[in-house]
Amino acid sequence: EAQVTQNPRYLITVTGKKLTVTCSQNMNHEYMSWYRQDPGLGLRQIYYSMNVEVTDKGDVPEGYKVSRKEKRNFPLILESPSPNQTSLYFCASRKTGLGNQPQHFGDGTRLSIL
Amino acid sequence: EDQVTQSPEALRLQEGESSSLNCSYTVSGLRGLFWYRQDPGKGPEFLFTLYSAGEEKEKERLKATLTKKESFLHITAPKPEDSATYLCAVPPVGGTASKLTFGTGTRLQVTL
Repeated sequence: EAQVTQNPRYLITVTGKKLTVTCSQNMNHEYMSWYRQDPGLGLRQIYYSMNVEVTDKGDVPEGYKVSRKEKRNFPLILESPSPNQTSLYFCASRKTGLGNQPQHFGDGTRLSIL
Repeated sequence: EDQVTQSPEALRLQEGESSSLNCSYTVSGLRGLFWYRQDPGKGPEFLFTLYSAGEEKEKERLKATLTKKESFLHITAPKPEDSATYLCAVPPVGGTASKLTFGTGTRLQVTL
């Protein structure tokens, strides 16, 4: 089954404790991205990757890092999490970098930073 | 900067009561538009892509239409299982990726 898998689904942690949210897709997609979803603000892009070793900032990259060493994986790293990063996070992928193709989303990771 | 506005924010319908959701956008040129459905605790699920004004697409009780300034998602004789948040999004200029601009969604509740 074609899917985007995120782990963990839920995480409660404390300020400053480094964490990584993993994302994996099994569709051989070139393009992957991370979004955060907050009430009243909708989905906002954090980082995206056009292909292996190619990443770039989205609208709200501050406080986040990403890497793309393999085509299927695109982890999101919070080196020193803060309470304002409490949010619902989604990883997405699409076949290529063309913007007119639909994205496939994971089921989300709910992060709470205390 | 591209802006996407959805209305209403929330809509409550009785089963069988048809209605429409609106997505209006202020973008530099028509480049197409996506509709997604999002269930609680899930990621957005792709529904439709519309590329040009006048285009229509249908899936079960849903029909999406597109003009130069807005898109409508028409829901005909909805059922409780149609309850979800519906999101629209616009792709970037030139179609060369970077990001989608999403609206904040319409939360639809269909009751018996």
